Amino acid sequence: NAGVTQTPKFRVLKTGQSMTLLCAQDMNHEYMYWYRQDPGMGLRLIHYSVGEGTTAKGEVPDGYNVSRLKKQNFLLGLESAAPSQTSVYFCASRVGLENQPQHFGDGTRLSIL
Amino acid sequence: RKEVEQDPGPFNVPEGATVAFNCTYSNSASQSFFWYRQDCRKEPKLLMSVYSSGNEDGRFTAQLNRASQYISLLIRDSKLSDSATYLCVVSGSYKLIFGSGTRLLVRP
Repeated sequence: NAGVTQTPKFRVLKTGQSMTLLCAQDMNHEYMYWYRQDPGMGLRLIHYSVGEGTTAKGEVPDGYNVSRLKKQNFLLGLESAAPSQTSVYFCASRVGLENQPQHFGDGTRLSIL
Repeated sequence: RKEVEQDPGPFNVPEGATVAFNCTYSNSASQSFFWYRQDCRKEPKLLMSVYSSGNEDGRFTAQLNRASQYISLLIRDSKLSDSATYLCVVSGSYKLIFGSGTRLLVRP
């Protein structure tokens, strides 16, 4: 049972390049989330989804887009990468019920030069 | 005011010590509460859920005070391996709200 899988694990981009981070979960969870975490800081929610075909903005959505075309996948896109987007990105998923915790992927370390 | 507030620490304690972390939350409608642990540059991992009556898991005890909107985590007999950042987590609308964490350092 893989749980939550993020690809890639590491990536270096140049300013202005675009890329997509993939999150896949095999637990049939309804809810999925993308966070970023900067050094010494807490998690900040970028976007989230409460079901296939739905997405919503978190606290820091600017510069990112997301899609949830399939229940098991949640994609995070950077259209024009900026150095301020250098961070560790975590994906998480959760059953859509109260009292259920989130399960995290092991992160994508993204550097933008 | 942040939705979930924690003392960032660090708490520096010797092995074998007992240490307690506190957390306050602002949304009185929150129904679910958790403690997560995060090691340096790793993903957060669930440590334990927090139930209204309080609950214990080995050396870890969690308590909830709904009236004061306050959650605590007590770690007894600290081990070197307990060194990590502990995140207080509270349910919100469709999502969990994470505190910024309290850093614990356990020294030999």
